[in-house]
Amino acid sequence: RKEVEQDPGPFNVPEGATVAFNCTYSNSASQSFFWYRQDCRKEPKLLMSVYSSGNEDGRFTAQLNRASQYISLLIRDSKLSDSATYLCVVTTGRRALTFGSGTRLQVQP
Amino acid sequence: ETGVTQSPTHLIKTRGQQVTLRCSSQSGHNTVSWYQQALGQGPQFIFQYYREEENGRGNFPPRFSGLQFPNYSSELNVNALELDDSALYLCASSPEGGELFFGEGSRLTVL
Repeated sequence: RKEVEQDPGPFNVPEGATVAFNCTYSNSASQSFFWYRQDCRKEPKLLMSVYSSGNEDGRFTAQLNRASQYISLLIRDSKLSDSATYLCVVTTGRRALTFGSGTRLQVQP
Repeated sequence: ETGVTQSPTHLIKTRGQQVTLRCSSQSGHNTVSWYQQALGQGPQFIFQYYREEENGRGNFPPRFSGLQFPNYSSELNVNALELDDSALYLCASSPEGGELFFGEGSRLTVL
């Protein structure tokens, strides 16, 4: 079983749609949680950290459920520029990032 | 622009050869990590260096080795290349305990 599991997609949505990605992790000792964004043939870039209380950054909302070991990302009012692969990431104390395989999003006009 | 630069950007090798990939970290960052990203997969942690010492390693064989230099730049060396080593190799630098910043990667093809 992979340490971080994501639905690979692709998610094809029209502009303006709301889309949600989910992720589960297997290591209950995981301490920090993130969503990264990766454009085609580019490096991953930090999108946002994820906290148990939930956090929002503009059109993006992230949630963490430690009891269920589940992380989510909600994107509202999708833009064409949101098209990318979204990587769910967890860390343990040693700071190494454990990535999921990513969920591909294609926003269509 | 993250300030992390990697070289070469692309290279082609044959099975059994050796390769060295280089990474210049962002100024002030004393920690460097290397990741391997195969096509369609997320990056996989190879190892991390902090102040010239390896302080964490993922599930990669000993033919994957590295160095960090006093200026905090780093090298990744892979010996006895295999076809499955074809991937994007990503370097990330960070200040101690801080956010990681990735370079654009070195794309290795093994024939």
